[in-house]
Amino acid sequence: KQEVTQIPAALSVPEGENLVLNCSFTDSAIYNLQWFRQDPGKGLTSLLLIQSSQREQTSGRLNASLDKSSGRSTLYIAASQPGDSATYLCAVRQLNSNSGYALNFGKGTSLLVTP
Amino acid sequence: DVKVTQSSRYLVKRTGEKVFLECVQDMDHENMFWYRQDPGLGLRLIYFSYDVKMKEKGDIPEGYSVSREKKERFSLILESASTNQTSMYLCASTGTKQPQHFGDGTRLSIL
Repeated sequence: KQEVTQIPAALSVPEGENLVLNCSFTDSAIYNLQWFRQDPGKGLTSLLLIQSSQREQTSGRLNASLDKSSGRSTLYIAASQPGDSATYLCAVRQLNSNSGYALNFGKGTSLLVTP
Repeated sequence: DVKVTQSSRYLVKRTGEKVFLECVQDMDHENMFWYRQDPGLGLRLIYFSYDVKMKEKGDIPEGYSVSREKKERFSLILESASTNQTSMYLCASTGTKQPQHFGDGTRLSIL
């Protein structure tokens, strides 16, 4: 069964820093990988989707990379702001899964950006 | 913008009650999902559906059932609520090659 791990579990940085969140997965037979943001007590907001044939996706200050063969993805946040404080979740969709299009989630990285 | 709407943000029920959680999406997605999220355990798949009237068990289906009578609506049913079903419930939908989109979640407390 696919296992998704996110390191670190928590991160605190001063405003303005560039930072990298890491995600690793054990089974490289993935269809795509998605990064989400979750604010306390809220649902998940989709940030970036990377198809298995792609190496990276960018949206504003966010850049996500995918190295399928090594089972790794990173989310790069440039010039962090206090409003970026949230939990960031990585999730993969398997190829040929018994669970259809369902996602396997990591447990998230809790990010705090201090003013 | 894709909209996934869950009927309640907060819900308090008693043990033994039958509980209905409703989810509606407006993007004509074939695939819909129910997950629960618990501290330290992350998100776990309860049930999913890939078409109207079709349903499949996820990783933790015990104590739950689902209904998908219309494409846009996917309901989660707790047949006889128990305290260990206190959790955050998240509904999601997706189409082929599309991101998965989530609702705002329902925080359910069973007393």
